[in-house]
Amino acid sequence: EVQLEQSGAEVKKPGESLRISCKASGYNFKNYWINWVRQMPGKGLEWMGRIDPSDSYTDYSPSFQGHVAISVDKSINTAYLQWSSLKASDTAMYYCATGLDSSGFPFDYWGQGTLVTVSS
Amino acid sequence: EIVLTQSPGTLSLSPGERATLSCRASQSISTDYLAWYQQRPGQAPRLLVYGTSTRATGIPDRFSGSGSGTDFTLTISRLESEDFAVYYCQQYGYSRTFGQGTKLEIK
Repeated sequence: EVQLEQSGAEVKKPGESLRISCKASGYNFKNYWINWVRQMPGKGLEWMGRIDPSDSYTDYSPSFQGHVAISVDKSINTAYLQWSSLKASDTAMYYCATGLDSSGFPFDYWGQGTLVTVSS
Repeated sequence: EIVLTQSPGTLSLSPGERATLSCRASQSISTDYLAWYQQRPGQAPRLLVYGTSTRATGIPDRFSGSGSGTDFTLTISRLESEDFAVYYCQQYGYSRTFGQGTKLEIK
């Protein structure tokens, strides 16, 4: 069974750093991109970027380039989303997602989400 | 970046009625790379339709997708109570972008 298990909720202060994780199981992790999607409170879905676990190649949305970093540790089938200096506006639910269907790889598997709250 | 605009923002219908949700792209996209997702409150999104018209595994046949070029549609033939949720379109041909969503609420 394909599963994406995300790390737990986080409460941070502005300026702090943070790394959240997404652990994959049930498929060949190295063969499929992992995507990250943001959902701010009461708002829609925003694609942030993705990583190819086989070589750590990343592709960011222009809206998020330079604000977050996506990385992967393929030895433990885990992808990460990282901030070096959080802002209150980073408060959101963050989902990882992957697509295993070779017809373009729509996001057919999602993690449960990680809620990040940034508040002083 | 391809912008997807969904309409209406909110759709109020009754169980048993037919729902028609629209997604318009800022430029033509391949029918191979247009998907629809459903998100219920407190849950992660779920893939409903991909490649414009192919239902994902386990999705009932009351959901159907159509369209081409810049205009795409998700139709729910007879609404059931569990269908009241937010729906997003997504293009995944040129990078990836989502529409802003349509909330389907009970009238």
